Order: sequence, then C-alpha cells, then structure tokens
Amino acid sequence: DGGITQSPKYLFRKEGQNVTLSCEQNLNHDAMYWYRQDPGQGLRLIYYSQIVNDFQKGDIAEGYSVSREKKESFPLTVTSAQKNPTAFYLCASTGTNGGEQFFGPGTRLTVL
Amino acid sequence: AQSVTQPDIHITVSEGASLELRCNYSYGATPYLFWYVQSPGQGLQLLLKYFSGDTLVQGIKGFEAEFKRSQSSFNLRKPSVHWSDAAEYFCAVGRYNTDKLIFGTGTRLQVFP
Repeated sequence: DGGITQSPKYLFRKEGQNVTLSCEQNLNHDAMYWYRQDPGQGLRLIYYSQIVNDFQKGDIAEGYSVSREKKESFPLTVTSAQKNPTAFYLCASTGTNGGEQFFGPGTRLTVL
Repeated sequence: AQSVTQPDIHITVSEGASLELRCNYSYGATPYLFWYVQSPGQGLQLLLKYFSGDTLVQGIKGFEAEFKRSQSSFNLRKPSVHWSDAAEYFCAVGRYNTDKLIFGTGTRLQVFP
C-alpha cells in the first residue's frame, strides 16, 4: 500500500541535542512538507520541498533544518537552536494531479 | 496574504443531531479548499476538497461542504452525527494544487449519547 511513514512515533530529547525525524513516502509525490502542531494553534508550516534538492522555509523554520536528496525522503532535523521543540510533528506530501496533501501518522517529540 | 478562520474552538452535539462547522478564508482568487479530520495522536485524513465546479461537494463519512464565494466560506456539514465523528476538524486553503496549505486552528467536536 502506498503511503507516508514517519519514525519514530515517540522521541525524547535532552536539551542541547539535535534529533532527526524521518519521513518517507512511496506515493511518487514531488512535493513534501513538514508541519508542527501545538494545542490550539493548528498546523504551522516548517519547511517544504517541491522538487528534489530544493526546499523553502515555511512560517516557523528557525531552529530546524531539512534535506531532500531523494524524492521519497524528507528528513527534518530539530536543532539545539529550537527553543521550544516539544510538539507533534507531521509530514505530508502531494502529487501534481490531486492537490490534497496526504499525511503521515506523526512523531511526538518531547524535550526532557 | 491567505488566512483561514475557524471561529468555533469546541462544539458539542448529541449523537444523531446535525452538524455544521464553520470556515472562513481570506484569498483574492478562487482558492483550493480542504477539510481534514484528526483523531487524537494521529495524522490528518482528508474529508473533502473543492477546486472548482459544483459548489456543494460530497466527502467521505457522510460529510459535505458548500463553497460560498460571496461569504468567503466553506462550511462543513453532516445531517446526523455518529459518536465516531468525535475528533478535531481542520479547514485549509491553498492557491494551487501543489501549494503549501494554510490551516485553521481547528474545531474539536465532542459527541455525547
């Protein structure tokens, strides 16, 4: 079955550590996105990529980094510069003929 | 700039009652509009979408939404709510089919028997 996978489901980080969240899709989609979700704030866009080897900052990119070396993969690194990283992170992708974004199951990151 | 407003943070309805969740958007041209549903701790699932054509769109799980350009609205409706509909609902808008989406802050639906 085609879809989007995110790993791990739960992640714990000590302050000062960088962590990388995985996002993989087998939908053959060109565009991929990372969102952060906090209670009462909806989804906020961190980074997005519309093609391999290219990506753009979203609304809250500070303290995060991404890469897009393969069409299927769009990992997100939460760096120590992100002051409040505890949140639920969602990855999504979209194809050119549908428009809607397909979402992964999410990763919950907790800073200890 | 685009924006999406979901004025109701929390709605409670009885099982079997009708439901309408409000969504207002700000965008100059005809937007791409979406409704998603999220169960706790899960990803988002698409309920329905509007790109063009018939302004009343049907989605999954018995949901429908109506695009009203004059009111800049895209409200979600269901004639009879089931207990399994309890979840959080998000409205989203984009400018074209691969555009990044702007999401509303969500409406949490609670259903009691």
